[in-house]
Amino acid sequence: GESVGLHLPTLSVQEGDNSIINCAYSNSASDYFIWYKQESGKGPQFIIDIRSNMDKRQGQRVTVLLNKTVKHLSLQIAATQPGDSAVYFCAERKGGSEKLVFGKGTKLTVNP
Amino acid sequence: DTAVSQTPKYLVTQMGNDKSIKCEQNLGHDTMYWYKQDSKKFLKIMFSYNNKELIINETVPNRFSPKSPDKAHLNLHINSLELGDSAVYFCASSQEGKLFFGSGTQLSVL
Repeated sequence: GESVGLHLPTLSVQEGDNSIINCAYSNSASDYFIWYKQESGKGPQFIIDIRSNMDKRQGQRVTVLLNKTVKHLSLQIAATQPGDSAVYFCAERKGGSEKLVFGKGTKLTVNP
Repeated sequence: DTAVSQTPKYLVTQMGNDKSIKCEQNLGHDTMYWYKQDSKKFLKIMFSYNNKELIINETVPNRFSPKSPDKAHLNLHINSLELGDSAVYFCASSQEGKLFFGSGTQLSVL
């Protein structure tokens, strides 16, 4: 069935450290994955996406890694800042579908 | 220049009432969505419209009725509100699979 989950519901890091947020998915038919950031009182904001024909994609301070063999997705944030504190969601979409299925979310807290 | 805007931001109402949430996007996207976020932050899709046509209808009670007068608007009407409807409702539009969300409507049913 469709299931996207996270290994860690909360993550606390020191400012300046690198953060890694993990996500497991179970639908092998998924071909598109996205990471979203949701700050308190706001809607989810797009961070970075990756298609299944890639295993790594980099953005500004963020990197997404996709391991299709073990159905694992991760978001790496370099030099984490207090403004990175938020809930992070991974989401997957099955090929040919418009439906984006979200994982449970990980709350990242950055300590100054 | 809000891309996806929804109103109201907060909605407090009594059980049994009927209420509507409005959503508009100025991104020119063809596809719009309603998502529900529960108290545990879990985001679940409810409906999706593509160019005014319903394309996704998850297992949502028929008390919830989306309406899309044009491709820039997707409103959500809820009849006979129940306590369990309390949640944050997000509207979104999409381009090539990437969703852009509104800021949410926090619905509290008393």
